[in-house]
Amino acid sequence: GAVVSQHPSWVICKSGTSVKIECRSLDFQATTMFWYRQFPKQSLMLMATSNEGSKATYEQGVEKDKFLINHASLTLSTLTVTSAHPEDSSFYICSAPGTYNSPLHFGNGTRLTVT
Amino acid sequence: SQQGEEDPQALSIQEGENATMNCSYKTSINNLQWYRQNSGRGLVHLILIRSNEREKHSGRLRVTLDTSKKSSSLLITASRAADTASYFCATDGLNGNKLVFGAGTILRVKS
Repeated sequence: GAVVSQHPSWVICKSGTSVKIECRSLDFQATTMFWYRQFPKQSLMLMATSNEGSKATYEQGVEKDKFLINHASLTLSTLTVTSAHPEDSSFYICSAPGTYNSPLHFGNGTRLTVT
Repeated sequence: SQQGEEDPQALSIQEGENATMNCSYKTSINNLQWYRQNSGRGLVHLILIRSNEREKHSGRLRVTLDTSKKSSSLLITASRAADTASYFCATDGLNGNKLVFGAGTILRVKS
């Protein structure tokens, strides 16, 4: 079945550095991918919709200059957390849609810890 | 935010008992989905119910949907310790594949 691969699964970085997270659709093409963030013991909150070949659409309250999204090909979207701060520590999950009215395919998530 | 509500927030039961989780949402939908998440892991899709369906079964799972009340329930029968996880409902809000997740229910099944 369709698989979404997310890398890395975890990363620890120092405050002020940037971190890139990759999301790949392995056996299907995804013109759209979604990036979610999940804080401990909370639900998933949609951050942005990544659109292949065009700008990402950000949800209200999400800083587009801080969370850079690039969707340069039909199988790869990247999320870069720039100038990371400890409050950016969270679980980031990407997903890609299947066919209409079918479940999203989720990556396994990336645990980001900023020290 | 369109995020829905789920109740209970946490549920602790004995192995073999049934677990019922409820979800309410705010907008019209095409479908509602239930997902499971083990601690610190990714999401596992459990079941999708379309807006024109009222009930759906999959193994030990039973999902109901009441679009007039904008609510859904997930029933896990004959629970097992391995069912311990967080469970989330998610709706598409007529925006296609853009899912909005509920707050989630933390289920603990004691053996």
